[in-house]
Amino acid sequence: KAGVTQTPRYLIKTRGQQVTLSCSPISGHRSVSWYQQTPGQGLQFLFEYFSETQRNKGNFPGRFSGRQFSNSRSEMNVSTLELGDSALYLCASIPSITGYQETQYFGPGTRLLVL
Amino acid sequence: AQKVTQAQTEISVVEKEDVTLDCVYETRDTTYYLFWYKQPPSGELVFLIRRNSFDEQNEISGRYSWNFQKSTSSFNFTITASQVVDSAVYFCALNAPGYALNFGKGTSLLVTP
Repeated sequence: KAGVTQTPRYLIKTRGQQVTLSCSPISGHRSVSWYQQTPGQGLQFLFEYFSETQRNKGNFPGRFSGRQFSNSRSEMNVSTLELGDSALYLCASIPSITGYQETQYFGPGTRLLVL
Repeated sequence: AQKVTQAQTEISVVEKEDVTLDCVYETRDTTYYLFWYKQPPSGELVFLIRRNSFDEQNEISGRYSWNFQKSTSSFNFTITASQVVDSAVYFCALNAPGYALNFGKGTSLLVTP
C-alpha cells in the first residue's frame, strides 16, 4: 500500500498570506488528523476528520481550518500567516473511527516557513 | 488531564551500547493506548509499537524492546547494541477515549561510531 502523501513538502510564505496544505491518507483509511510540530511546543494536535466531519479539534485559533473530502483526502488552511506558524505540519492516516485505539500513520510532513 | 513526560532531552551513546529511553505518563482513564514513534532527520514519524493498558507483557522486536509497567506509569524503550541508523528523535505518546494523541517532547538519540 502507498503511504501517506503530503503536498507540498516545502513552502515559503510571507506574513499575512494564507496557505493550503494537502494530505492523502493510506488507501482504505477513512480518518485523518493534523499536527503542528515546532521546536518550542513540540507536537500539537490541530484537528481530526472522519467521513468529511471534524471529530476533534485542538487548541488553535480560528485561522487554522481544515476539511476532508469524500475520497478521504484532507486539506488544512492557515489564513493570515504569522511568523509563529513556521513549523512542520504532519498529517496522520487512521484506519477507522475507533480513534484512540488506532495506530496513526504519519506522512513526511510539510515544512512551512513564514517570513 | 493527560500528560507524557520524556525527561531525557538528548542522549549520546557509542555504537553497540545499549540505551533506554524513558517515558512516564499520566491519565485518569483505565483504558488507554501507548505508542512509540521514531522521527529521523527526514521528519516523518515512523510507528514503532502500540500497547494497550491491559497488556503489560514486555515486547521484543529485534534489537528493540519495551517495558510497560502500570504500577509506575512507565513505558520505557530499550535499544540493544545501538547502531548509527538508530540516531533519531523518539516520541512516546498516549491516547485515551475522547482525547487526541498526546505526545511527549521527545528524546533525541545520537549514536556515534
